[in-house]
Amino acid sequence: QKEVEQNSGPLSVPEGAIASLNCTYSDRGSQSFFWYRQYSGKSPELIMFIYSNGDKEDGRFTAQLNKASQYVSLLIRDSQPSDSATYLCAVNPGRGGYNKLIFGAGTRLAVHP
Amino acid sequence: DAGVIQSPRHEVTEMGQEVTLRCKPISGHNSLFWYRQTMMRGLELLIYFNNNVPIDDSGMPEDRFSAKMPNASFSTLKIQPSEPRDSAVYFCASSPRTSGINNEQFFGPGTRLTVL
Repeated sequence: QKEVEQNSGPLSVPEGAIASLNCTYSDRGSQSFFWYRQYSGKSPELIMFIYSNGDKEDGRFTAQLNKASQYVSLLIRDSQPSDSATYLCAVNPGRGGYNKLIFGAGTRLAVHP
Repeated sequence: DAGVIQSPRHEVTEMGQEVTLRCKPISGHNSLFWYRQTMMRGLELLIYFNNNVPIDDSGMPEDRFSAKMPNASFSTLKIQPSEPRDSAVYFCASSPRTSGINNEQFFGPGTRLTVL
């Protein structure tokens, strides 16, 4: 079992719809969770992170965390074609107090007009 | 403030040659990470440093790979000798914190390495 799993997609949604991206992780002790966006040929850029159960909103983005079920999701409201990218989920395993992140393989999102 | 700086942005070399990738982290950041990204394997952590000290190099594929961080503003990743399977995009990232839960990482533009 991979430590961080994501559906590779592509996830296709119409412009203006809500895109829902999911991620599961295997280490129950994981402490914090990050979402990155990566456009083709570019580097990953941080969207937001979450570490408490529940929802965290930032503009059109909402991160949701459920530690009991070991999943984290990212909702993108009012999706735009410019949101078309690969979304990477990353997990801080929290072991040893250090700060490395383990990345999932990413979900490719396509927003069509 | 400038972000993470990597050089070169593109490198094409022949099998057996030495390759050196360079990274300048964001000023004031205390952690530096080297990643490799391929279509097959995704984004893999190779090694990371906290306060210039290597903490975890378990992702370094083999002895052909080495990394150094001689000071807080510079790191290198060296491949010697290079092989075609080393072809990938290599990212450097830095983080302001060496521990804690809000340890976000900021990525450089990457170096696209092609080994012929």
